[in-house]
Amino acid sequence: AQSVTQLDSHVSVSEGTPVLLRCNYSSSYSPSLFWYVQHPNKGLQLLLKYTSAATLVKGINGFEAEFKKSETSFHLTKPSAHMSDAAEYFCVVIHTGGFKTIFGAGTRLFVKA
Amino acid sequence: DAGVTQSPTHLIKTRGQHVTLRCSPISGHKSVSWYQQVLGQGPQFIFQYYEKEERGRGNFPDRFSARQFPNYSSELNVNALLLGDSALYLCASSSGGQGRFGYTFGSGTRLTVV
Repeated sequence: AQSVTQLDSHVSVSEGTPVLLRCNYSSSYSPSLFWYVQHPNKGLQLLLKYTSAATLVKGINGFEAEFKKSETSFHLTKPSAHMSDAAEYFCVVIHTGGFKTIFGAGTRLFVKA
Repeated sequence: DAGVTQSPTHLIKTRGQHVTLRCSPISGHKSVSWYQQVLGQGPQFIFQYYEKEERGRGNFPDRFSARQFPNYSSELNVNALLLGDSALYLCASSSGGQGRFGYTFGSGTRLTVV
């Protein structure tokens, strides 16, 4: 069975400090993993994706994520937060053996000035 | 290029009614998937269609159905609406069948059931 657990429902950081959003997954097959961002009243935007190539994945707006198979984790990081990063972030798994997409519950990122 | 377009953007229906939501994928994308996002929660997978065939189904009752047309656009139908069906319904498209390279999402249809 597949599942995605985002370990923090809310994360608050100060502008200019690092961001860490944590995601653990469970999948019986080789997974494809994604991070999406959703700004208020906006659609979902793809930040980055892991599809069994390099384990360190770079995305848009300075975000990156590292796939760690031994820890079944795919944490999202950014060296320096910007006010515009405040949004809801979703970790997503698609297992390559099927057609089902599983979203995590989301992490709300707050950025303080 | 146009992105994924969904119509209508907002909709108010009464309990027991039926609703049809529409989605046009990005040109060249053959896969469309549907999600329900209740306020404060992550999107829940409803269906995926690829090459006009259903390829995946989430844990939703039979009141929910969908189809994909020869031009790859899609409809989501919900019968006998319940108050709990109130949500943002998202459509996403991808070029491949399994979405391994990520989906592009539309802005959604906000359904309110009263």
